[in-house]
Amino acid sequence: QKEVEQDPGPLSVPEGAIVSLNCTYSNSAFQYFMWYRQYSRKGPELLMYTYSSGNKEDGRFTAQVDKSSKYISLFIRDSQPSDSATYLCALSGGSYIPTFGRGTSLIVHP
Amino acid sequence: GAVVSQHPSRVICKSGTSVKIECRSLDFQATTMFWYRQFPKQSLMLMATSNEGSKATYEQGVEKDKFLINHASLTLSTLTVTSAHPEDSSFYICSAVTVTEAFFGQGTRLTVV
Repeated sequence: QKEVEQDPGPLSVPEGAIVSLNCTYSNSAFQYFMWYRQYSRKGPELLMYTYSSGNKEDGRFTAQVDKSSKYISLFIRDSQPSDSATYLCALSGGSYIPTFGRGTSLIVHP
Repeated sequence: GAVVSQHPSRVICKSGTSVKIECRSLDFQATTMFWYRQFPKQSLMLMATSNEGSKATYEQGVEKDKFLINHASLTLSTLTVTSAHPEDSSFYICSAVTVTEAFFGQGTRLTVV
């Protein structure tokens, strides 16, 4: 079993839809939870960062962490075509070397 | 936010030659930088941890003599792919961390022909 599991997709949604992206993990030592967005042939950029269970909101993005279930989610409201990218979850323990999920390819069509 | 600059963004080289990729932290000092490799539709795989002023730490299965890492200053780490072969063609990404966050370079697309 991989430490971080993430469905690669692709996930195709119409513009304006609410998108739900998820990762599960097995290592309870993970303390920091991040979501990165990666456009084709570009480096990842940090979207959301949290270290506790619960929700964190930033504009159209909401990150949710459930440590008891070892499950994290990223919600995108009012999705736009410009949101089309690969979204990677990343988790780390105290040493802060993140372990990445495989990434989910999101396609938002007009 | 912090910025990490990686250069070049794309490089094509002949088999057997060496290629150097630079990673710079532009507005903060990074004692530690990371080098990743990413194949199409795959996640980032950590290759090595670059430590300023000391030898890099390589992940299992990564050839240290093939992927030379130099971290000569607090803002610059370089990855040199020596005697490149077509199977080394990939997307290479560097990362520098602050206390709480990791920032990534733009990536380098290496194609060995």
